[in-house]
Order: sequence, then structure tokens, then C-alpha cells
Amino acid sequence: GIQVEQSPPDLILQEGANSTLRCNFSDSVNNLQWFHQNPWGQLINLFYIPSGTKQNGRLSATTVATERYSLLYISSSQTTDSGVYFCAVPSDYKLSFGAGTTVTVRA
Amino acid sequence: GAGVSQTPSNKVTEKGKYVELRCDPISGHTALYWYRQSLGQGPEFLIYFQGTGAADDSGLPNDRFFAVRPEGSVSTLKIQRTERGDSAVYLCASSFSGGNEQFFGPGTRLTVL
Repeated sequence: GIQVEQSPPDLILQEGANSTLRCNFSDSVNNLQWFHQNPWGQLINLFYIPSGTKQNGRLSATTVATERYSLLYISSSQTTDSGVYFCAVPSDYKLSFGAGTTVTVRA
Repeated sequence: GAGVSQTPSNKVTEKGKYVELRCDPISGHTALYWYRQSLGQGPEFLIYFQGTGAADDSGLPNDRFFAVRPEGSVSTLKIQRTERGDSAVYLCASSFSGGNEQFFGPGTRLTVL
């Protein structure tokens, strides 16, 4: 199956800082999803982004499918951004997830 | 409801017992998926339904695990003779059809004592 690697594994930010999370994947994909898992365990959809760039408020994502990576940008981070960020890619409809990046935003 | 719902939110059982976990997908979604998430890891695929049939059950760890979706909507994940290693959060997701964006429920936290 497809291998998904995320970096960094942990990220500590001061409120207001910007950051970039990376997702590398081992094979060609036709879509990619980014999720935020909040402290209660709920996976919240952030982006469905097979290629190109999308923006949603302070978050944006870029996927370069030909080079097999995606980036998630968090700008002006807030404490509510804390949690685990996962990227996931499909293989025969099932999603393969990375191990996640744990983000802690300090006030 | 508007999103995927799962019941119960928590389940504590004893080793050897049988459990059922329920998932209600988003209305109109024909594809339904079950995943399992252990502490500190990303979710891992268990089974995928398209309509009433299991299109891919390659992620089920062994024959103690079984899932059904008899009317193409609600699904039940069934675990027989539970073991302590089955303890995890079981997540359900649905999508408009296979291959589209997946939306997840809040999960059922299963603890096997």
C-alpha cells in the first residue's frame, strides 16, 4: 500500500506564529485529505486537495502530485489550532494515514 | 443529523465478550468505511461498503471481526470474543460514493478489560 510520512512529528508554536506541515507519499494519488483531530478525538475535514492550492481562513494547503507531497500552512496560529494534523491518501478507496503532526500552540 | 454519528461513544467490556458498534452515515452517502485508531497512531482501514455489500474487507484483522450494512445505510461492526488488544477507538466514515471525500464520525472508544 501507499506509504505516507508526515513531518515534523511535533510542533510547538507561540500564539500568532506561522508554520508549515509536510506530507510525503510514496505513489501517485488522485486526491488527498488533510484533517485536524481535536482534543476530543473528532477528525475535522480541513482540505480535499488532489492538486494545486486551496485556502480556508488562516489555513491553506498545496499539493504537488507530480512530486508526491502536500503542505499545510497555518498562519497566525491560535490556541484552538492545537491538536493532531493528519494527511491521508486513498488506495482503492480506503485512506492511508500518516502518523500525524502534533501541534501545540501556547498563549 | 448532519454528520456521521456513532454509538456508543464509549464501551467497556470484559475479555471474551461480544460487542456491537453502530454507525449512522451522512444521509445520501452510499460509501461507508470503518477504521481503527490506536493511541498515538493514525487511523487504519478495516472495511469499506458500497451500498449493502462489503467491497473491501482486507483490513479486518481476523475472523472475530465482522461488519454488516443490510439496508445500505446504518452499519454495525461486530467483534466476537474480544481481546485486550482490540482496545482502540473505532471510527466510521462515509462519502457520497467510493473515492470521494470522506467524513468521519466521533468514534467509539472500546476498552477491553
